[in-house]
Amino acid sequence: DADVTQTPRNRITKTGKRIMLECSQTKGHDRMYWYRQDPGLGLRLIYYSFDVKDINKGEISDGYSVSRQAQAKFSLSLESAIPNQTALYFCATSGPSGSGETQYFGPGTRLLVL
Amino acid sequence: AQSVAQPEDQVNVAEGNPLTVKCTYSVSGNPYLFWYVQYPNRGLQFLLKYITGDNLVKGSYGFEAEFNKSQTSFHLKKPSALVSDSALYFCAVRVDTGRRALTFGSGTRLQVQP
Repeated sequence: DADVTQTPRNRITKTGKRIMLECSQTKGHDRMYWYRQDPGLGLRLIYYSFDVKDINKGEISDGYSVSRQAQAKFSLSLESAIPNQTALYFCATSGPSGSGETQYFGPGTRLLVL
Repeated sequence: AQSVAQPEDQVNVAEGNPLTVKCTYSVSGNPYLFWYVQYPNRGLQFLLKYITGDNLVKGSYGFEAEFNKSQTSFHLKKPSALVSDSALYFCAVRVDTGRRALTFGSGTRLQVQP
């Protein structure tokens, strides 16, 4: 969905480096999410934010941090990257509860940690 | 707690035949249920959802799904498969109360043979 953009689209980094993945949306949604996708494991939730001041850990938040700089921006950081963080990362947004909560996904960032 | 299971890693069907992709769920309360599709090198795209009302839900590209509360299932179906339906399909669930995010299944790869 072009309304949800992610940068970079591909990234190669080395163990121990700090990296940031960025997500922007023009859908006007309050809710934003970060997932990682690994083969055979589906999508697992890292962090989610229901508004700028409401940030929550997902099922696999260890080793990650997030920043909700504005309603439209939600960044994911790997403070010290490790090889098992190699994955495909997706950002998603959704409207408020009662709107059906359909999530709209960005194109993904493919991260390789050497 | 909420969880979803997709018991088949892969489903193979011939073009023109009906297809079914299975999904079962577990929530403490009433579910919101979703199906998403992922084409190669793309983000996830919304197909359909069940929030309330009619148990048979129709979605994009001719897909439909039936909510079965007694069997806690939400199987995805299509009467006549197309080769272009070949993709990775994800079922997702969340409970209808509280500030929760979606939980995704591990995905089912659908392969439609010409």
